[in-house]
Amino acid sequence: TQLLEQSPQFLSIQEGENLTVYCNSSSVFSSLQWYRQEPGEGPVLLVTVVTGGEVKKLKRLTFQFGDARKDSSLHITAAQPGDTGLYLCAGVRETSGSRLTFGEGTQLTVNP
Amino acid sequence: NAGVTQTPKFRVLKTGQSMTLLCAQDMNHEYMYWYRQDPGMGLRLIHYSVGEGTTAKGEVPDGYNVSRLKKQNFLLGLESAAPSQTSVYFCASRRFRGNRGGLTEAFFGQGTRLTVV
Repeated sequence: TQLLEQSPQFLSIQEGENLTVYCNSSSVFSSLQWYRQEPGEGPVLLVTVVTGGEVKKLKRLTFQFGDARKDSSLHITAAQPGDTGLYLCAGVRETSGSRLTFGEGTQLTVNP
Repeated sequence: NAGVTQTPKFRVLKTGQSMTLLCAQDMNHEYMYWYRQDPGMGLRLIHYSVGEGTTAKGEVPDGYNVSRLKKQNFLLGLESAAPSQTSVYFCASRRFRGNRGGLTEAFFGQGTRLTVV
């Protein structure tokens, strides 16, 4: 079983719609990250959330870290075709030290 | 500033052949990682290293070996390639500690697309 479970796995929406992607675990994480990956490239960091309950905004993207530090969400407002890509959450468990693990990813397609 | 460089970018192997993938980073990062990415899946951790001369197993280490003889290089070896090892392999590195706490940013190479026939 995956340590970090993302949902949905695939999402296809129209330009202008809003969406939320979830990242859940039964383990506590010291912090979580969200990355975005485009075809043929490695993932690129979007944000790191550290404190339980923390909310961070990056333009139209809003990231939230759960109060218990076991889950996170990514909300995109008024999605644009340029938001298309694979969104990955990643984290290191509190008991793990340096072992950086990733979720399965959410493949987002925004149609014009 | 090259960042993380992986070589080769593409490779086709026959079943049973061996090969080594090289990852080099010029950011003086302590931590380095090898992942594989299969269609419809995220990144699965193969092995990682927290410093020169140290390595540890990840989620899917079987069939792979690694070495970190120099801080800037992390090598991934396949002793006897199998078709199940057909995948895209990514190397990543990150600093041990950030300025404000929390995870430090992981920087990735461009990936190595490996096909085992």
